[in-house]
Amino acid sequence: DQQVKQNSPSLSVQEGRISILNCDYTNSMFDYFLWYKKYPAEGPTFLISISSIKDKNEDGRFTVFLNKSAKHLSLHIVPSQPGDSAVYFCAAPLLEGGKLIFGQGTELSVKP
Amino acid sequence: EAQVTQNPRYLITVTGKKLTVTCSQNMNHEYMSWYRQDPGLGLRQIYYSMNVEVTDKGDVPEGYKVSRKEKRNFPLILESPSPNQTSLYFCASSLSEAYNEQFFGPGTRLTVL
Repeated sequence: DQQVKQNSPSLSVQEGRISILNCDYTNSMFDYFLWYKKYPAEGPTFLISISSIKDKNEDGRFTVFLNKSAKHLSLHIVPSQPGDSAVYFCAAPLLEGGKLIFGQGTELSVKP
Repeated sequence: EAQVTQNPRYLITVTGKKLTVTCSQNMNHEYMSWYRQDPGLGLRQIYYSMNVEVTDKGDVPEGYKVSRKEKRNFPLILESPSPNQTSLYFCASSLSEAYNEQFFGPGTRLTVL
């Protein structure tokens, strides 16, 4: 049972345009979400997070939107840069912060 | 430099030969965790530890053991590795829990023949 789903394995975007990465979840107990970014041959790095009491969180070019009624969140990158090419994972903690459930990841390719 | 280190980075072994992957962090973090990454499945949590001597199962704990005797170290033990444990493994740590930003190690590529 995949509680956090990223249904698009890959996304290709032109440099300067907007990248939108989507994530859906099934567990209504999730109250916090995190996005991690992973380059090849490296460990993931934290990108941005959002609490369920908010519907938007912004950090520079990165904005995460949360739609609780639809159990959907999205990560917007504006403008996209070639250095943003990576795999992006959304994740949600459970069990008082012990467990962390990841989605399958979306590989973003930003073309010059 | 604040970091999470894992050793070895690459390992090829045979079925049934016990192995340990070490993980160490120098940030005095309470929370540590192990994940495996497989194509199409993303990252899946194996075990986590909220503090010294406190460990618990993640989503895919079968075939793995862990221990947390010291705050900085969180080794992953495969008592009898099998080919389905061939994967890319990551150790991570955070201040106190999974709600906090986690810092990941560089990964260990394990192949079990």
